[in-house]
Amino acid sequence: NAGVTQTPKFQVLKTGQSMTLQCAQDMNHEYMSWYRQDPGMGLRLIHYSVGAGITDQGEVPNGYNVSRSTTEDFPLRLLSAAPSQTSVYFCASSPDRSGQPQHFGDGTRLSIL
Amino acid sequence: QKEVEQDPGPLSVPEGAIVSLNCTYSNSAFQYFMWYRQYSRKGPELLMYTYSSGNKEDGRFTAQVDKSSKYISLFIRDSQPSDSATYLCAMSPYNNNDMRFGAGTRLTVKP
Repeated sequence: NAGVTQTPKFQVLKTGQSMTLQCAQDMNHEYMSWYRQDPGMGLRLIHYSVGAGITDQGEVPNGYNVSRSTTEDFPLRLLSAAPSQTSVYFCASSPDRSGQPQHFGDGTRLSIL
Repeated sequence: QKEVEQDPGPLSVPEGAIVSLNCTYSNSAFQYFMWYRQYSRKGPELLMYTYSSGNKEDGRFTAQVDKSSKYISLFIRDSQPSDSATYLCAMSPYNNNDMRFGAGTRLTVKP
């Protein structure tokens, strides 16, 4: 049972480039989310999904897009990377949106030059 | 003012010490209270969670929630070097996955 899998683990981009961070879970969880973690800021919610075909914005959505075509996958897209998006990105999932704890992947470290 | 406040430390203790980690919060709607442990270059790992007020014990770990004071704690007994990590508190309302995190406390347990 792999849990939540994120790829790639590391990535360096130039300003203005686009890329997609991948997230997959094998627990049949309905709820999936993306967070960014910055020093002294804790984890902040970017986007979330309560099921296939349903997504919504979190606390810091600007500059990011998401889609959810299957229960298992929830990719995060950076449309035009900016240095302010340098961060560690975590994907998480939980069985539903009842508020129960979420389970995290090991993150993608992203540097924007 | 942040919705969840957590002292970032760092906190350094000798092996075998009792560790107390704390968070305060302002949103009275929070009902689920979690503690995550995060090792360097890894994702947060769920350590303990409680629903509403009260205590919960799991081995060397005890989580306490005092909703009247909006204060949660994690106690680690007989701390080990393997407990060295960053500890994140998190909380969310009932029927809502809008989870809010503390900034994390970095703990080092010295042999």
